[in-house]
Amino acid sequence: NAGVTQTPKFQVLKTGQSMTLQCAQDMNHNSMYWYRQDPGMGLRLIYYSASEGTTDKGEVPNGYNVSRLNKREFSLRLESAAPSQTSVYFCASSETGDSEAFFGQGTRLTVV
Amino acid sequence: AQSVTQLGSHVSVSEGALVLLRCNYSSSVPPYLFWYVQYPNQGLQLLLKYTSAATLVKGINGFEAEFKKSETSFHLTKPSAHMSDAAEYFCAVLTDSWGKLQFGAGTQVVVTP
Repeated sequence: NAGVTQTPKFQVLKTGQSMTLQCAQDMNHNSMYWYRQDPGMGLRLIYYSASEGTTDKGEVPNGYNVSRLNKREFSLRLESAAPSQTSVYFCASSETGDSEAFFGQGTRLTVV
Repeated sequence: AQSVTQLGSHVSVSEGALVLLRCNYSSSVPPYLFWYVQYPNQGLQLLLKYTSAATLVKGINGFEAEFKKSETSFHLTKPSAHMSDAAEYFCAVLTDSWGKLQFGAGTQVVVTP
């Protein structure tokens, strides 16, 4: 019953460093999403993938790239981290566009 | 464009008292609405969702929400708060057929003995 698994759980980066956040789901869902959570702002969509091989920008895509490696995996890359990217990042998946989204446990990223 | 507004960033309730969390939405089409709960250091978990089948929606853990089109509201209630209800609650609206969600800012619930 793994659901949506994110790695790592915590990460500290220096400004300018790069890293990739990994996400995998075992529910055979078509759609996957990356959100960031900041205090007082709820969750905001960074990128999403409606199906394997497709990705599209969400509300706050600047500074990020994504890869839908296969149906299970959807990674988020920060090419040159900035302090403004300090946040908690959540990956989610859903079977169809109007069905329940399942969330991972989150990655807490600090950029110093 | 669809959006949601949650009234009150923090709510304090006594154990056994009514929990009422307010959410108003803006949508040009019949909305799909959700309430999610986030316990400390956890991901989000679905409490309930409205998909136009019934205006009163029952969810997990004794929560329910009523969709009121005339008031563009989808408030979450629980008759009797439990200590385990302490968490952050998010209202969200489905913005398109690809499953993208627009979240409210969240309401932190504190339950006092």
